[in-house]
Amino acid sequence: DQQVKQNSPSLSVQEGRISILNCDYTNSMFDYFLWYKKYPAEGPTFLISISSIKDKNEDGRFTVFLNKSAKHLSLHIVPSQPGDSAVYFCAASGQGGSEKLVFGKGTKLTVNP
Amino acid sequence: KAGVTQTPRYLIKTRGQQVTLSCSPISGHRSVSWYQQTPGQGLQFLFEYFSETQRNKGNFPGRFSGRQFSNSRSEMNVSTLELGDSALYLCASSPSGYGINQPQHFGDGTRLSIL
Repeated sequence: DQQVKQNSPSLSVQEGRISILNCDYTNSMFDYFLWYKKYPAEGPTFLISISSIKDKNEDGRFTVFLNKSAKHLSLHIVPSQPGDSAVYFCAASGQGGSEKLVFGKGTKLTVNP
Repeated sequence: KAGVTQTPRYLIKTRGQQVTLSCSPISGHRSVSWYQQTPGQGLQFLFEYFSETQRNKGNFPGRFSGRQFSNSRSEMNVSTLELGDSALYLCASSPSGYGINQPQHFGDGTRLSIL
């Protein structure tokens, strides 16, 4: 039973355009959501997070949107850069503890020059 | 500020052996979590330690165990290794106030291969 789903295994965009990565979850007890970026042979790097009391959080080129009624979140990267090419993981945790993360299977983003 | 350090980076073992992996968290972080990443299952939570106590546990068999020392360093042990234990094992740390949402920061992992 996959509680966090990233339905697009891959995404390809042109440099300078917007990248939109999507994530759906099924557990209504999740209240904290995170995005991580992962390069080959490295561990995941934290990008941005959002608490369920918010519907948007921005950090530079990265914005995360949360739609609680649809149990859906998305990560927007604007403008996309070739260095953004990596696998992006959506993660969620709940019940006041962020130490037990449930991860999606990842979306491989390729930004073409 | 030094990140999460995992040793060794690579390890090759044979079926039936046991293995111990080590993790040093970011200085000041008191919570350490372990995850297993495989191509088929993705990233799965193993367990979390805080103040030398296991606070959370995932759905893995008892062959997977861990501990945390007073300096917050953690070790993970896998006994009676099986071929399916071949994976990237990732450690993550966070400052830890329970009930406070804060991101975990990951090390680069230990790549374990079982022959």
